[in-house]
Amino acid sequence: GESVGLHLPTLSVQEGDNSIINCAYSNSASDYFIWYKQESGKGPQFIIDIRSNMDKRQGQRVTVLLNKTVKHLSLQIAATQPGDSAVYFCAENYPSNSGYALNFGKGTSLLVTP
Amino acid sequence: SQTIHQWPATLVQPVGSPLSLECTVEGTSNPNLYWYRQAAGRGLQLLFYSVGIGQISSEVPQNLSASRPQDRQFILSSKKLLLSDSGFYLCACGGGEKLFFGSGTQLSVL
Repeated sequence: GESVGLHLPTLSVQEGDNSIINCAYSNSASDYFIWYKQESGKGPQFIIDIRSNMDKRQGQRVTVLLNKTVKHLSLQIAATQPGDSAVYFCAENYPSNSGYALNFGKGTSLLVTP
Repeated sequence: SQTIHQWPATLVQPVGSPLSLECTVEGTSNPNLYWYRQAAGRGLQLLFYSVGIGQISSEVPQNLSASRPQDRQFILSSKKLLLSDSGFYLCACGGGEKLFFGSGTQLSVL
């Protein structure tokens, strides 16, 4: 079946630098995308989302970019802080027989070094 | 906004023993409820979802079952645990497209 995947399983950045986490999706029917942050031993937390009629959305220190032409999604974190260290998942929402289904990528581990 | 309660946080069970993990939701009614499993260092695998009381859909064949006896209660069960059932189990709730997750249960089957 179609799936969501991530280009890099791990990413190490220095504190204060900007981070970019990438995600590729293959379901052209997906119309809604979400980024989640998961700290060790905890459940994933919603960070930011974007609909397919947009190509950019900004939050507090985070920006999500969507390129539908190449089916690519990215999460940019500005001025990365130690508290940003976590695993980041992208997820695509696509229509299915049961309504909408959320498909998660494998995750990227972000490590922020001092 | 909804709050998802999951317990216990950690559980160690012997092979062949039964399992019951409970998830309850507050702050919403008639939510879609989900059970996910996450192996160490891996992504999220959808196990079951429910769109209403008594309505359970299974995504993958497995040793586990789920039940939804009340609108805001979702239970994950097994009659006999296998070693391969070890993992981090997450309950999630969603009324639309976005999912909200509980804090998870780390299950170790020994």
